[in-house]
Order: sequence, then C-alpha cells, then structure tokens
Amino acid sequence: GAGVSQSPSNKVTEKGKDVELRCDPISGHTALYWYRQSLGQGLEFLIYFQGNSAPDKSGLPSDRFSAERTGGSVSTLTIQRTQQEDSAVYLCASSLATYEQYFGPGTRLTVT
Amino acid sequence: GDSVTQMEGPVTLSEEAFLTINCTYTATGYPSLFWYVQYPGEGLQLLLKATKADDKGSNKGFEATYRKETTSFHLEKGSVQVSDSAVYFCALSSGSARQLTFGSGTQLTVLP
Repeated sequence: GAGVSQSPSNKVTEKGKDVELRCDPISGHTALYWYRQSLGQGLEFLIYFQGNSAPDKSGLPSDRFSAERTGGSVSTLTIQRTQQEDSAVYLCASSLATYEQYFGPGTRLTVT
Repeated sequence: GDSVTQMEGPVTLSEEAFLTINCTYTATGYPSLFWYVQYPGEGLQLLLKATKADDKGSNKGFEATYRKETTSFHLEKGSVQVSDSAVYFCALSSGSARQLTFGSGTQLTVLP
C-alpha cells in the first residue's frame, strides 16, 4: 500500500516568511510524528499526535512552530517567521499502536 | 533524559568484510530499540527492532541483540555488500508518546 507522503519535497523561503509542510500518513495509522534532521542537531523529535488526544508538543523548539492534524489523518507543520537555523529536513512518521514508525521522504527546507 | 550513543564514523570496509556498529543507550524504564537505515537520497527505513531484553532483531543479514546488562544494541553483519553503503541510525522508543530518540548516525561505505 501507499507509504507516508510529504509535500513539498523541497521548499526555499526567505527569512521572516511563514511556511507550511504537509504530511499524509499511512491509511489507518493512528499515531503521527514530526521530526527534524539537521547537520548540527541530528534527528530530533518535534511533536506527536495520537488519535483525538491532545498532541505532545514537548519537542517543539519555539513558539514559532505549531502543528495540527485534521480528521485524524493529514497533518500540517507550520513555521512562522522562519529563521536560518530552521533550515533542515522535516520528517513525518506514522504508526499503529506498535513501536514501528514508518517515515516519509521528508521536506528539505532552506531559509535564505 | 533518554540518549543514544553511536559509534562515530565514517566507516569504510571492503566487500565481504565483517561489520560492527556500536550503540549504547541510557533510558528510564524499558525502551524498545531500533536500527534505521538511510540510503543515499532516500528516507529513513526501519532495518530491525527488539522490544525486550535478550531479543535479537534481524533483517537482510543484519543482526542486533538487546543487551540490558550492558545497555547496548550493536549492529552486526557477517559479510557486507556495496549496496549496504548508507547511514545507519540507532534509536530507542520510550515514554507515553513512544517518540524515537536517535543516535548521531554512522556513515558506512563499502568498497568493491
């Protein structure tokens, strides 16, 4: 079946602009995660959604970052007033009620 | 907090050589352990997993054993191939969100 998809695959934006990154999880997967992969920090957890429960936002680096998940499926990660240190690959993963997470191809964000 | 320490790379081997990539962890409770692989230009793929002490995960000739007494999960393969060239990430899953905590990654290059 279809895997996790993310869009856009690449995004170049100017410092100070807002960006939205989209994730379509595997159908039926109740859990959805966002991670960030950057040269300086490696792979970092950002936020977690499980069903209709309140999200775990403990990994978000600042209040410029937010995310929502509509209808228990598609998720959007929004970064407001982007900074150069936000440049990274943003990864989305989904899972069932197991410990296996399946990752999408990522969105490469470049802030100029 | 939880952490994963991974053998630093890069690692360069000749085809058919034996591979070991060391991984140790620090965690509260009883984490699940994973190895993920990232091939050039591709997303993260789950390679193998172990969910409790003494479990051995295996896939594509790779193996790793969950050692609680040494808090380790070393990755091994008896005979590497050129196609195994990739970045390998050790990770643990813990907490109510089961988010992944990753090691820094080890770049493996296999020469023909």
